[in-house]
Amino acid sequence: DADVTQTPRNRITKTGKRIMLECSQTKGHDRMYWYRQDPGLGLRLIYYSFDVKDINKGEISDGYSVSRQAQAKFSLSLESAIPNQTALYFCATSDPLTSDDPNEQFFGPGTRLTVL
Amino acid sequence: KNQVEQSPQSLIILEGKNCTLQCNYTVSPFSNLRWYKQDTGRGPVSLTIMTFSENTKSNGRYTATLDADTKQSSLHITASQLSDSASYICVVSAISGYSTLTFGKGTMLLVSP
Repeated sequence: DADVTQTPRNRITKTGKRIMLECSQTKGHDRMYWYRQDPGLGLRLIYYSFDVKDINKGEISDGYSVSRQAQAKFSLSLESAIPNQTALYFCATSDPLTSDDPNEQFFGPGTRLTVL
Repeated sequence: KNQVEQSPQSLIILEGKNCTLQCNYTVSPFSNLRWYKQDTGRGPVSLTIMTFSENTKSNGRYTATLDADTKQSSLHITASQLSDSASYICVVSAISGYSTLTFGKGTMLLVSP
């Protein structure tokens, strides 16, 4: 969805490096999410934010941190990357006040991260 | 624990054939069920949403059904096309104070010429 963009789209890094994945959206949504997707495991929630001052841990937050710099920007950081964090990472947005379905989430194109 | 199970895990069909994907869930209290299509290298995109009171909903060649009593849903694809090759993910929302979803692992569909 062009309204939700992620950078970089692909990244290869080494164990122990700090990595930041960025997400920007032009949908005007208050709620933003970070997920990781692994083969055979489906999407799992890492962190979510309901507004700039609100940050919440998801199912698998260990080893990750986030920053909500503005309504439109939500960044995911890996402070010290490890190989089992190799995965596809998705950012998503939602807004119960402006969407027809309050639970619908709109996903970015994903970032493929490889940790060697 | 809320869970969503999908079957089959993967499926190969010939172009022009029909297929049906299954989703069973144990999410409570149930709010709605959505089917997403995820093309390779892309983010999931919503195909259709089913609420508690809906039994069937169509979106072009895609038809979703919901049986809230047995907690089962299906996605039927008619006259498949090569572009239907993708992962299909069943996602169930619970009624809660915020928008959290339970994702199935997806069914990988390959439509072969």
